[in-house]
Amino acid sequence: EPEVTQTPSHQVTQMGQEVILRCVPISNHLYFYWYRQILGQKVEFLVSFYNNEISEKSEIFDDQFSVERPDGSNFTLKIRSTKLEDSAMYFCASSENRMGANVLTFGAGSRLTVL
Amino acid sequence: DQQVKQNSPSLSVQEGRISILNCDYTNSMFDYFLWYKKYPAEGPTFLISISSIKDKNEDGRFTVFLNKSAKHLSLHIVPSQPGDSAVYFCAASGSGTYKYIFGTGTRLKVLA
Repeated sequence: EPEVTQTPSHQVTQMGQEVILRCVPISNHLYFYWYRQILGQKVEFLVSFYNNEISEKSEIFDDQFSVERPDGSNFTLKIRSTKLEDSAMYFCASSENRMGANVLTFGAGSRLTVL
Repeated sequence: DQQVKQNSPSLSVQEGRISILNCDYTNSMFDYFLWYKKYPAEGPTFLISISSIKDKNEDGRFTVFLNKSAKHLSLHIVPSQPGDSAVYFCAASGSGTYKYIFGTGTRLKVLA
C-alpha cells in the first residue's frame, strides 16, 4: 500500500538552529500538508500546499516556517531559528483530492526536540 | 478556539463489547468528517469518513453516525478488539478550505 515517508524520525537541535524536515508524499497525490502535535495536545494544522504554492496556512505558520517542493518527489518543512516551543511531532500528509472525498494519508512523523 | 471537541479523554471497554467515541463540533460549515486512529510513535491512520449528506457510514466493524442538527458525530466499534486500543481523533473540514481541524483525541483501551 502506498505510504507517506518522513525523515528524520527524530531530530535534536539547539535553540536558534535551522531544521529541515523531509517528506515523500504518495506519488499520485496533488495536495500536501504539514501538521504538528505537541506532546499530549491535539493535532494542529500548519500549512497546505498545492500546485507549487501555499494554499492555506494557520496562525502558527509564521515567517519562521517555510515549505518547498524542491523536486518532483520531496516536500520539505524548514523551521528557521528554532525555539523551545517548536518541540513537537511533525506530520506530513498528502491527499488526492482537495475537497469531497479528501482523505489525508499521514506519514509516521518526525519528532523534533529543541534544547 | 476549539471547533472540534472530544470530551472524553479516555474510554475503557471489554473485548467483544461496543466502543462508542464521541465528537462535537461548533462550525456549521463543516461538511466532511474523518476518523483517525493513532498508535504511539506512528502517524494517524485513516479509519472512516462521512459527508454531511449522510447520517451513517459503515465499514466492517466501524460505523460513524452524524447528527447535523446536534453537530455531533460518533464512531462505533463492534466488536471491540484489544488491537483497537489507540488514540482516536475526529477531524472536520468545510467547503472552501484545504485543512482539517482535529479534535483532542480519545484514548481507547480494550481490555482482554
